[in-house]
Amino acid sequence: GAVVSQHPSRVICKSGTSVKIECRSLDFQATTMFWYRQFPKQSLMLMATSNEGSKATYEQGVEKDKFLINHASLTLSTLTVTSAHPEDSSFYICSTKHWESSYNEQFFGPGTRLTVL
Amino acid sequence: EDKVVQSPLSLVVHEGDTVTLNCSYEVTNFRSLLWYKQEKKAPTFLFMLTSSGIEKKSGRLSSILDKKELFSILNITATQTGDSAVYLCAPSSGTYKYIFGTGTRLKVLA
Repeated sequence: GAVVSQHPSRVICKSGTSVKIECRSLDFQATTMFWYRQFPKQSLMLMATSNEGSKATYEQGVEKDKFLINHASLTLSTLTVTSAHPEDSSFYICSTKHWESSYNEQFFGPGTRLTVL
Repeated sequence: EDKVVQSPLSLVVHEGDTVTLNCSYEVTNFRSLLWYKQEKKAPTFLFMLTSSGIEKKSGRLSSILDKKELFSILNITATQTGDSAVYLCAPSSGTYKYIFGTGTRLKVLA
């Protein structure tokens, strides 16, 4: 399957700071990437769809000014959690679809665990 | 509102047992359904189902979709301790948006 990486894998920050998470597709071009959030013992919740060269599409209830998404190249999308608060502590996962694939399965990055103190 | 219900929520079995995991859904503009296995970190892809009645198999795992009754099942035969994980199903709402269920937590005892 496709290889997707995320950096950092784990981050601890103070309340009020901003944190940037990178998602890279390592072996293919990804015009579309997806950002999910997963709270403990809960399922993945889609936050936004990131499209290369255009604005991200946010799901209902997700604040676009708080969760800034940039997809400046075909291999990199970034999620910046601005002015993070303890309730933003979660597991953030990106995924992408191989652009050459005729199927829609999504390949997930390893995730980033964010802890806001 | 899109809805995905997986059952059972959790399951404990012994090695060698066969398990059936259920996923029922109500989504708008359904296109396909994905099954994933999630251990400690990110989910790994198992199956994608688009047509009713066609069983997909991969080793001891198999899955089938019923688009009329709006459900899918994932079967695991001859379970092993390495099968212990959370199994997630995700029907699509549109082409790319997938709605994940809360998963079935499977524990296989040696």
